[in-house]
Amino acid sequence: AQSVAQPEDQVNVAEGNPLTVKCTYSVSGNPYLFWYVQYPNRGLQFLLKYITGDNLVKGSYGFEAEFNKSQTSFHLKKPSALVSDSALYFCAVRDYTGGFKTIFGAGTRLFVKA
Amino acid sequence: NAGVTQTPKFQVLKTGQSMTLQCAQDMNHNSMYWYRQDPGMGLRLIYYSASEGTTDKGEVPNGYNVSRLNKREFSLRLESAAPSQTSVYFCASSAPGDVQETQYFGPGTRLLVL
Repeated sequence: AQSVAQPEDQVNVAEGNPLTVKCTYSVSGNPYLFWYVQYPNRGLQFLLKYITGDNLVKGSYGFEAEFNKSQTSFHLKKPSALVSDSALYFCAVRDYTGGFKTIFGAGTRLFVKA
Repeated sequence: NAGVTQTPKFQVLKTGQSMTLQCAQDMNHNSMYWYRQDPGMGLRLIYYSASEGTTDKGEVPNGYNVSRLNKREFSLRLESAAPSQTSVYFCASSAPGDVQETQYFGPGTRLLVL
């Protein structure tokens, strides 16, 4: 079965420093991977996705993610964090077994301190 | 475009009461989903509808029913609410044929069952 893991419940970073939010996945075929962000009292918003091609994917708000097939990882990164980046981040993988479903990780809360 | 809308935004129920959560999208998407979000567990799929007239169970369907009323609307019904159903419920939609299958989320419904 497809699955996704986010090993950190919380990530703390100072404003201006680079940030990384980790994600590992398990799929039986080619992975379709996503990052979503949730701001307080809001629904999830799409950030970026990996389908095929370049291992470095660029998305919204200056975020990017690196797909690493050998390590089965899809870590979210940003070169310089902003206080406004503080939110809950979800990694997700597309599940093509038995239907078209998306499996979400448990989420990682990012705190950016001024 | 309003995107995905959900009503109500917040609801308090007593154990055993019933209610229906409403969801509508104006993006002409074929697929719609209901998720619940609980702390530390990410989003879990309750039911989904790949197209008008079809519905399928997700990961946690027990205690819920759904109706795909038409292409725009997808409702979730709790027939006899239980405290374990206290959660935040999100509706989402996506467009098959969109290879990346990005999902678009509503703002959520907070449900408290006493």
